[in-house]
Amino acid sequence: AQKITQTQPGMFVQEKEAVTLDCTYDTSDPSYGLFWYKQPSSGEMIFLIYQGSYDQQNATEGRYSLNFQKARKSANLVISASQLGDSAMYFCAMRAVYNFNKFYFGSGTKLNVKP
Amino acid sequence: DVKVTQSSRYLVKRTGEKVFLECVQDMDHENMFWYRQDPGLGLRLIYFSYDVKMKEKGDIPEGYSVSREKKERFSLILESASTNQTSMYLCAVTSGQGAGELFFGEGSRLTVL
Repeated sequence: AQKITQTQPGMFVQEKEAVTLDCTYDTSDPSYGLFWYKQPSSGEMIFLIYQGSYDQQNATEGRYSLNFQKARKSANLVISASQLGDSAMYFCAMRAVYNFNKFYFGSGTKLNVKP
Repeated sequence: DVKVTQSSRYLVKRTGEKVFLECVQDMDHENMFWYRQDPGLGLRLIYFSYDVKMKEKGDIPEGYSVSREKKERFSLILESASTNQTSMYLCAVTSGQGAGELFFGEGSRLTVL
């Protein structure tokens, strides 16, 4: 069965510091993609970063990077130099490559950035 | 990137009313989704559509139906709203190409009294 686990319901980080949001997954699919989304209080889900299971390097997008450890089935999101605008819910998601209509989402982590 | 627009940000309806939630995309993507979001439960798929007039049930279709008469528009229908359908509803679109990431609308927060 496919499953995404985010064990941190809420986190605090000081502005300008780095923070890691945890995500572990369970899948029997040989090829899959991992995604992170940000949801501000306004409600819209914003795509942040993608990692393919066969990608050799960890994905990076600006201040976001994905710490992908395939053997451990973890896909942690690292946000460097946190900003007040980073305060939001963050969701990890997974999809099998061959079944692009089926996404699995974690329950989310609420990040609060303190000034 | 595709722009996804949901017709209503906030709705308040009474038990038993028929509710329409509309979603429109500005691209030509085949795949559109309706999710329900509740605290602690993440996102749960209600229905998705892979083309005009084509639909498939997701994980929680009970109490919902959908309509896709035009490629750019995907509607979620609550035939007879109930209080347990009070939730945030998110529409999403994907091209299915490349990473195949979902693009979401701003969400519709429905309260059923």
